[in-house]
Amino acid sequence: DAGVIQSPRHEVTEMGQEVTLRCKPISGHDYLFWYRQTMMRGLELLIYFNNNVPIDDSGMPEDRFSAKMPNASFSTLKIQPSEPRDSAVYFCASGFPYEQYFGPGTRLTVT
Amino acid sequence: AQSVTQLDSQVPVFEEAPVELRCNYSSSVSVYLFWYVQYPNQGLQLLLKYLSGSTLVKGINGFEAEFNKSQTSFHLRKPSVHISDTAEYFCAVLTGGGNKLTFGTGTQLKVEL
Repeated sequence: DAGVIQSPRHEVTEMGQEVTLRCKPISGHDYLFWYRQTMMRGLELLIYFNNNVPIDDSGMPEDRFSAKMPNASFSTLKIQPSEPRDSAVYFCASGFPYEQYFGPGTRLTVT
Repeated sequence: AQSVTQLDSQVPVFEEAPVELRCNYSSSVSVYLFWYVQYPNQGLQLLLKYLSGSTLVKGINGFEAEFNKSQTSFHLRKPSVHISDTAEYFCAVLTGGGNKLTFGTGTQLKVEL
């Protein structure tokens, strides 16, 4: 198995632009989690899905952030419009709450 | 609400020496406990987990951790570290019935020759 796949690995964009991060979970995993990692705030859970349904989005910082999971093999995290404070590494993880498999992350830089 | 405290932000150690990374948690209900490792520019990888049963848990790469309910601790240990163990280690807690992991701030383990 290739593991959790995230794209792009690096994204540099200008403030105000729309950013879309993509995730392909491991086949057969029921849960999908989106995390953000920064030096200041550490690892934060943004949102998670169970069987493609969003269960808890209380970690999404504001309305500029949205996430979808149209099917069991694909999820997106969108930021519109992006701001410099959104610069971070965004991780997708799949599996179960007690056993999560992380992707390599997307490093987002907003200038 | 649950929380996790990793008091040591950095732990330097010489190769082949033993190491202990400390983790304390607070929760008013039963917990599941985890250690994850993050190598540079990579995602997190599960090292070991405590769900129930024996309080001494063995994980990958020779690591082990002991759940101590009275001290609300879950310290990670390895008897002899290798250069390749240099990474950041995160302790995490999941309360019984919950689905959201709460991570500590991480401990950077630096193994030196």
